[in-house]
Amino acid sequence: AQSVTQLGSHVSVSEGALVLLRCNYSSSVPPYLFWYVQYPNQGLQLLLKYTSAATLVKGINGFEAEFKKSETSFHLTKPSAHMSDAAEYFCAVSEGRDDKIIFGKGTRLHILP
Amino acid sequence: DAGITQSPRYKITETGRQVTLMCHQTWSHSYMFWYRQDLGHGLRLIYYSAAADITDKGEVPDGYVVSRSKTENFPLTLESATRSQTSVYFCASLLTGPTTGELFFGEGSRLTVL
Repeated sequence: AQSVTQLGSHVSVSEGALVLLRCNYSSSVPPYLFWYVQYPNQGLQLLLKYTSAATLVKGINGFEAEFKKSETSFHLTKPSAHMSDAAEYFCAVSEGRDDKIIFGKGTRLHILP
Repeated sequence: DAGITQSPRYKITETGRQVTLMCHQTWSHSYMFWYRQDLGHGLRLIYYSAAADITDKGEVPDGYVVSRSKTENFPLTLESATRSQTSVYFCASLLTGPTTGELFFGEGSRLTVL
């Protein structure tokens, strides 16, 4: 069964610094991978998705992620953090052969002034 | 307004009572999902549905029942609530398959079981 592991339940970065949120997946078939963001007291919204086209995926708000099959990873990055990026970020995976989308435990991003 | 709405947004109940959380979407999306969000566990899939009258178990289905007689509605019932079911529940919908589509989430229903 597919699964994702997010390393670090909390990550703190200074404003203007690089953001790196880690996600590793497990899947028996080529996966479809997603990053979602959740702002306080809201539902989740899609940041970006990998669906087997380009391995470097660009999303909204300046975020991007790179699919690395050899490392089974799909890490999320942003070159320069902004205060408005403070939120919880979830990595998710789908194998496609069933209809499930499975989420990781989430990483809360804190931005330091 | 178009979108996905959940009700009630907040609910307090007692152990052993039956509770139904409602989810309604106006897009005619084929797929609908129920997740629960708990500290330290992230989002866990309870049940999902690919179309009306088709439902499947997710990661944590025990203690929950779903139905989908109409495309737009996907209620989640806790037949006999337990304290471990205290959580925030999110309903989501998806137009096409999970490999290409984007999940649209409701605002969540916060359930407390005393």
